[in-house]
Amino acid sequence: ETGVTQSPTHLIKTRGQQVTLRCSSQSGHNTVSWYQQALGQGPQFIFQYYREEENGRGNFPPRFSGLQFPNYSSELNVNALELDDSALYLCASSLVRGSYEQYFGPGTRLTVT
Amino acid sequence: AQTVTQSQPEMSVQEAETVTLSCTYDTSENNYYLFWYKQPPSRQMILVIRQEAYKQQNATENRFSVNFQKAAKSFSLKISDSQLGDTAMYFCAFMNKGGSEKLVFGKGTKLTVNP
Repeated sequence: ETGVTQSPTHLIKTRGQQVTLRCSSQSGHNTVSWYQQALGQGPQFIFQYYREEENGRGNFPPRFSGLQFPNYSSELNVNALELDDSALYLCASSLVRGSYEQYFGPGTRLTVT
Repeated sequence: AQTVTQSQPEMSVQEAETVTLSCTYDTSENNYYLFWYKQPPSRQMILVIRQEAYKQQNATENRFSVNFQKAAKSFSLKISDSQLGDTAMYFCAFMNKGGSEKLVFGKGTKLTVNP
């Protein structure tokens, strides 16, 4: 148990819709990262938030956006869903910047039909 | 850009035996971390072991140890006395020191421990 939770566990959406995925980090973890893991692949970095500001972004279009809240929770929003967005979405939190150890949640499985 | 390559899509080992998973990476940076993560069917990614690039001594964590060859950009994971609970996907990952602390993952190796 890493103390990082994600909701929902599974989600089915239709192409073109919008989705919000949620992550709750451990208390005091002020850095959260989001990753997309397609079937049979390793996770790919989407973006990172540090103290509620975006702090690095991977090769994902602007329709992927995020928020981080003062209570150590965060959201990943995806607009205009495409079939290729079907994946496991993982969030990972860190206690402090520079600790380099990320604690992962169990992920949200998103299916776009 | 950094890349991580795991050349063994699948491996199997008998319980109590030893197995080594391979990983190579490419980077022009000098200061970085390398990790092995385990992802069981429950999907939760669990850190197995971490190596800091500036440390020459190979990291060990109980039955898990690494062989870090910085010049060759190689970072293999050895699992001794394999247990059924070691069955999982194993991902090698790279992180630059400084900047955004993003992990760059390989495609993973599916390890099956047979009774």
